[in-house]
Amino acid sequence: SQQGEEDPQALSIQEGENATMNCSYKTSINNLQWYRQNSGRGLVHLILIRSNEREKHSGRLRVTLDTSKKSSSLLITASRAADTASYFCAYGGWDDKIIFGKGTRLHILP
Amino acid sequence: DGGITQSPKYLFRKEGQNVTLSCEQNLNHDAMYWYRQDPGQGLRLIYYSQIVNDFQKGDIAEGYSVSREKKESFPLTVTSAQKNPTAFYLCASSPGGGMFPNQPQHFGDGTRLSIL
Repeated sequence: SQQGEEDPQALSIQEGENATMNCSYKTSINNLQWYRQNSGRGLVHLILIRSNEREKHSGRLRVTLDTSKKSSSLLITASRAADTASYFCAYGGWDDKIIFGKGTRLHILP
Repeated sequence: DGGITQSPKYLFRKEGQNVTLSCEQNLNHDAMYWYRQDPGQGLRLIYYSQIVNDFQKGDIAEGYSVSREKKESFPLTVTSAQKNPTAFYLCASSPGGGMFPNQPQHFGDGTRLSIL
């Protein structure tokens, strides 16, 4: 299977702390994306990093990409209760198919 | 507001019955996708279409069929040949590749299919 893997599968942290999720993949990529899914809803695109980029920021999100290790990380700083959700990495080559990982379930404790 | 509409939100299938899930988008996107989500499995691609009147099988196409007669619509039929159809089905769209493949996908809010 070419499906990526997120680590950890589940994460619980206190509100205000930082949350870090990791993603490993198996193929060469054009870009890597991160998505959020609230319970029972569709996925929402958060951020895209291209294969020639190493780091990207968007608000409280920071994404890194290491193509030599075929890995990426998503950092959410100063977590809030509303950040409770599942987070998926997704990556693709040079067609329009992208492959989703199995996700990390993030729970922010009050 | 532009977006993707999936209907119905909940659907129940009897044994031997075909059911059709609707997906409509008004984003003027060329590419559309159907995914199946099972607990702990992430998303798996069923079918995708990059242009009207054309579509390709994804990783788990057996027991499913699609059509793409209009740019806005990409219905998915779950046939009686799909023996384990209970899952959450998600439809998505993207502008389409061309010079820039793998653009971010926009998702509907899903249809939850169960067996009676």
